Amino acid sequence: KNEVEQSPQNLTAQEGEFITINCSYSVGISALHWLQQHPGGGIVSLFMLSSGKKKHGRLIATINIQEKHSSLHITASHPRDSAVYICAVMGADGLTFGKGTHLIIQP
Amino acid sequence: DTEVTQTPKHLVMGMTNKKSLKCEQHMGHRAMYWYKQKAKKPPELMFVYSYEKLSINESVPSRFSPECPNSSLLNLHLHALQPEDSALYLCASRRFFGGGAHRDTEAFFGQGTRLTVV
Repeated sequence: KNEVEQSPQNLTAQEGEFITINCSYSVGISALHWLQQHPGGGIVSLFMLSSGKKKHGRLIATINIQEKHSSLHITASHPRDSAVYICAVMGADGLTFGKGTHLIIQP
Repeated sequence: DTEVTQTPKHLVMGMTNKKSLKCEQHMGHRAMYWYKQKAKKPPELMFVYSYEKLSINESVPSRFSPECPNSSLLNLHLHALQPEDSALYLCASRRFFGGGAHRDTEAFFGQGTRLTVV
């Protein structure tokens, strides 16, 4: 079973700061999701990555399959980015989730 | 259409009630998932359906009964639940189930049903 570790667990930052959330996993995979969940809300898939780097607006995700590591970056962070960010790895029977990073961006 | 639609959004039920949660997608996905999420915890897999057949049951109590009547619809029937079953129930779908050639298929999530058992 894949172990998925995220860091940090909690992060509070000021508006405009550059944010990095890290994810590492124990067993080789072929794809990884970065997910966003607002309080009490459903889950939105931000990225699915197999290799390299993807960018959507102010969000950038990278993955290094050999090192079993992925990062999610938020540039020019904004209070509306406040949410839980979850890393999830794709296995044969579905997703294994990390515990999430609770991000708060203060104005 | 890249949506997974779950209804209802909120549900309050008594321990003797019978209710159902519904999940619908029209993306032609043949793998559908039920997850349970408690507060401040990651989602936990409950059931996986592949081509309308139950592929995985993660030792879920029988008071939860899944059903996949067609390729677009996934139900979760609830009966005699306990207060500790109160949680967010999430549905997800993928084009296919499993690894191999189908491994790189993105998962899409619904907004969830917030269930409270009283």
